[in-house]
Amino acid sequence: TQLLEQSPQFLSIQEGENLTVYCNSSSVFSSLQWYRQEPGEGPVLLVTVVTGGEVKKLKRLTFQFGDARKDSSLHITAAQPGDTGLYLCAGGTSGSRLTFGEGTQLTVNP
Amino acid sequence: DAGVTQSPTHLIKTRGQHVTLRCSPISGHKSVSWYQQVLGQGPQFIFQYYEKEERGRGNFPDRFSARQFPNYSSELNVNALLLGDSALYLCASSSPGGQLYGYTFGSGTRLTVV
Repeated sequence: TQLLEQSPQFLSIQEGENLTVYCNSSSVFSSLQWYRQEPGEGPVLLVTVVTGGEVKKLKRLTFQFGDARKDSSLHITAAQPGDTGLYLCAGGTSGSRLTFGEGTQLTVNP
Repeated sequence: DAGVTQSPTHLIKTRGQHVTLRCSPISGHKSVSWYQQVLGQGPQFIFQYYEKEERGRGNFPDRFSARQFPNYSSELNVNALLLGDSALYLCASSSPGGQLYGYTFGSGTRLTVV
């Protein structure tokens, strides 16, 4: 069974601070996707990384896929209240399913 | 363009009853996946259908079943409901290569079993 562990589970910070969320596994994934989910809504795709060592930037968000394709990180610079939400990492394999982590609940206080 | 649409949005059922949840994928997407998200946890994979054929099944009991129709819409059926089936049920659609390009999720159906 493939598992993805996210840390931290909860994060409460002040506006303007930086933060990093980690997603780790003992399994190799062909791709790693990051989603953000707001209450009462489905997850919304932020990024997909597929190559070991790949780094992608989306405005103030930086995503990295580990060299061995077993782990990933999400770094947010100068967090804003609009960044508040549940951040989910999801690993893809050659099959059809995504394996999700438990999520990181981020709260950015004004 | 309409996104992934799910119906109903909320549902309350009694233990032992049966429920049918519906999903319409993005136009042109032939793959539909179903996920169960229990409060405080990440989504868990239930089924994937592509071109009306089951392409994957998660670790869920046989009480859970699904099908995909010629227009690529899909139904998820759950029989003999248990309290533990209370969750947000999410449908996701993708074009071929969802692993590379990502999935689009609907807003989900919130099922409460009492």
